[in-house]
Amino acid sequence: GDSVTQMEGPVTLSEEAFLTINCTYTATGYPSLFWYVQYPGEGLQLLLKATKADDKGSNKGFEATYRKETTSFHLEKGSVQVSDSAVYFCALSDQGGSASKIIFGSGTRLSIRP
Amino acid sequence: DAGVTQSPTHLIKTRGQQVTLRCSPKSGHDTVSWYQQALGQGPQFIFQYYEEEERQRGNFPDRFSGHQFPNYSSELNVNALLLGDSALYLCASSLERTTYEQYFGPGTRLTVT
Repeated sequence: GDSVTQMEGPVTLSEEAFLTINCTYTATGYPSLFWYVQYPGEGLQLLLKATKADDKGSNKGFEATYRKETTSFHLEKGSVQVSDSAVYFCALSDQGGSASKIIFGSGTRLSIRP
Repeated sequence: DAGVTQSPTHLIKTRGQQVTLRCSPKSGHDTVSWYQQALGQGPQFIFQYYEEEERQRGNFPDRFSGHQFPNYSSELNVNALLLGDSALYLCASSLERTTYEQYFGPGTRLTVT
């Protein structure tokens, strides 16, 4: 079945460092891809999305590009802040349109040092 | 514009008991999905409701059941609770034609002792 694999954490960086969190997926169809963020004690927030190959999703300085040839959707940010400390989930929807469910990776905990 | 709301925020139950969790979808949304997030894990799909019917289901036992009401709100029921049911339960809402884009509520933290 469809699945998502993301790099294991925790990841610890200094403020203003460059961030990459790797994510690869396996899917039989043409999924939409997502990055969700979960701050301590909170639910999931959609960070960015891409619905077709070569699309780039971006939000709050984070970017990810839908790479069909490498089945990847790596999350990047040029300069992280302490407030970016959270758990990040890569995810896909198993089909377009109706009756989709979201399949999540196991999450990557990110900690930013001042 | 109200987002997805869930109640209660936290809940403590004893093994063998039954629990009901509630969810109100984002305004205008007609489809509700439920997910279980164990500690340190990604959310796992439980089931999805549309037009008051369960449309699809993940790999969860029949102890997990749900309901959707005419106003699109939803309940998740878990019978015969096990210690392993302790988790954050997340509700997500969407439009039926675009269920690939789901908006999540803050979750209900269930602890089974």
